[in-house]
Amino acid sequence: QVQLQESGPGLVKPSQTLSLTCTVSGGSISSGGHFWSWIRQHPGKGLEWIGYINHSGSTYYNPSLKSRLTISVDTSKNQFSLKLSSVTAADTAVYYCARDTGALDYWGQGTLVTVSS
Amino acid sequence: QSVLTQPPSASGTPGQRVTISCSGSRYNIGRNTVNWYQLLPGTAPKLLFFRDNQRPSGVPDRFSGSKSGTSASLAISGLQSEDEGDYYCATWDDSLNRPVFGGGTKLTVL
Repeated sequence: QVQLQESGPGLVKPSQTLSLTCTVSGGSISSGGHFWSWIRQHPGKGLEWIGYINHSGSTYYNPSLKSRLTISVDTSKNQFSLKLSSVTAADTAVYYCARDTGALDYWGQGTLVTVSS
Repeated sequence: QSVLTQPPSASGTPGQRVTISCSGSRYNIGRNTVNWYQLLPGTAPKLLFFRDNQRPSGVPDRFSGSKSGTSASLAISGLQSEDEGDYYCATWDDSLNRPVFGGGTKLTVL
């Protein structure tokens, strides 16, 4: 059973960089055949796709976030990460990581990141 | 404003059948398959359906998915209290070139 777990600071100051890591267990990122995604949910709002990466580091980002976004992968640690720069209060959300096989078939529980001074 | 339109809420009593709609356009649902997700409080989101109506193992058959034209639907029969939560549809949008979600439907079991 594949499991994903998000980790990172729950509070980030405005203008700083939000950094999260997703640790995958029960399956290997390096086995290929999947994308590894980040999704977020603003408080009281719907889901927003952020972007994804594959095992070789190929990425695809939401155009609305592309200028501030970096997603990377560390296959040796079976982890992938998200960095979102120049954050504002509008980036406050629950951030989820998930495996993408054409559908998001395994998700982490999500982590709340609040942007506030 | 979400690209896919869902009713914000739905409700039913235990045992009833409830349907949640998801409306899109020729650029998304009209061309691509739809996935459905269930978000229950305190748990990781769960994939309910992929490719319109394919149920992953472990999803009860009282859940069903369908699609026609530019709309999709999720039906839940024999409603149970543990079904209470949020439901989202999703697909790829060929004009935006990215995955898109519905705004979500909050299901209440009365």
